[in-house]
Amino acid sequence: GAVVSQHPSRVICKSGTSVKIECRSLDFQATTMFWYRQFPKQSLMLMATSNEGSKATYEQGVEKDKFLINHASLTLSTLTVTSAHPEDSSFYICSAPGINGYTFGSGTRLTVV
Amino acid sequence: KNEVEQSPQNLTAQEGEFITINCSYSVGISALHWLQQHPGGGIVSLFMLSSGKKKHGRLIATINIQEKHSSLHITASHPRDSAVYICAATTGNQFYFGTGTSLTVIP
Repeated sequence: GAVVSQHPSRVICKSGTSVKIECRSLDFQATTMFWYRQFPKQSLMLMATSNEGSKATYEQGVEKDKFLINHASLTLSTLTVTSAHPEDSSFYICSAPGINGYTFGSGTRLTVV
Repeated sequence: KNEVEQSPQNLTAQEGEFITINCSYSVGISALHWLQQHPGGGIVSLFMLSSGKKKHGRLIATINIQEKHSSLHITASHPRDSAVYICAATTGNQFYFGTGTSLTVIP
């Protein structure tokens, strides 16, 4: 079945640094990738939608200059958290629509210290 | 009011019990998803359905389009079923997530 590989699974970084999260579709082409964020004990919140070859669409309240999304190929979408701060500590997860529904990456637990 | 409401928020069951988690939605949907989130955070898509009923192993998902309601049933529950179960409604490519049901199955 369709698989989305997400890396890293956990990352700890210092405040002010940038972190890149990758999502790769392994056996299908993902023309669209959804990026979600989940704070503790809260539901998933859509941050942005990336489309291969075009600019990402950001949800209201999500800073596009802080959360850089690149979807340069049909199998890779990346989310870069720039100048990370402790309040960016969260669980980030990607999802891509496939033939049989949506496939989720395994998520990235980001901790900014 | 959330577009997707789930109940209960928390559920504790004895191993072997039959479990039901409910989901009501207020938007017009193209599909309803049931997701399982493991304690480590990873999410697995359990079902995507737009009508009727689907079964996979001990899991059964039903949906009533007229009543805008879906249920997830787990038969013969097991401690490894302990997870957060999330209901999500999609309208095309827009997702609306429920807040999740935290299930703990006690041996």
